[in-house]
Amino acid sequence: EIVMTQSPATLSVSPGERATLSCRASQSVSSNLAWYQQKPGQAPRLLIYGASTRATGIPARFSGSGSGTEFTLTISSLQSEDFAVYYCQQYNNWPFFGGGTKVEIK
Amino acid sequence: EVQLVESGGGLVQPGRSLRLSCAASGFTFDDYAMHWVRQAPGKGLEWVSGISWNSGSIGYADSVKGRFTISRDNAKNSLYLQMNSLRAEDTALYYCAKARTAIAYYFDYWGQGTLVTVSS
Repeated sequence: EIVMTQSPATLSVSPGERATLSCRASQSVSSNLAWYQQKPGQAPRLLIYGASTRATGIPARFSGSGSGTEFTLTISSLQSEDFAVYYCQQYNNWPFFGGGTKVEIK
Repeated sequence: EVQLVESGGGLVQPGRSLRLSCAASGFTFDDYAMHWVRQAPGKGLEWVSGISWNSGSIGYADSVKGRFTISRDNAKNSLYLQMNSLRAEDTALYYCAKARTAIAYYFDYWGQGTLVTVSS
């Protein structure tokens, strides 16, 4: 089983600032990495797949990077609707999720 | 419009069984792998099980292996999860999720979930 570790657990950011979220895999997953956003009471929403490709309808302020074992999700200028929990997920084989990063208002 | 509608959740005693269903519409169901993902109250996402388009490839998380069985009926556009020997730690919101392709197991559509509570 590939273990996904996200950091930090909580990120406090002011609106308009940049947020950088990290995700580490216990072994290489190549570029088979997705990011999701989840708001309270809602199902997760796909943001990024292939480590860096935005899903349909996702704003350009969301970007992903990395390969192998180290990945980053960057939100360039946080909007009010971006405060949520973010999960990474590897799909190099059967899928596994990271523990999540909560992005909260500073 | 893609829709995934889960059903079958509820309150069940430890050791008992429950069968979840997911009714899919708005896409060609038998072109895609399908999965179950759960979320315990206040916790993160946990992949539970997945099944390929033709049921030829099936996988389970270690936490449910031997107790849960995933299946699909392509004629009925439906996904199922048979859950046996339920434990308190199986309490969660269970989501049905569509894989974006036949072989890449990330998820572009999710249902709203069905809540399973295991308690005496």
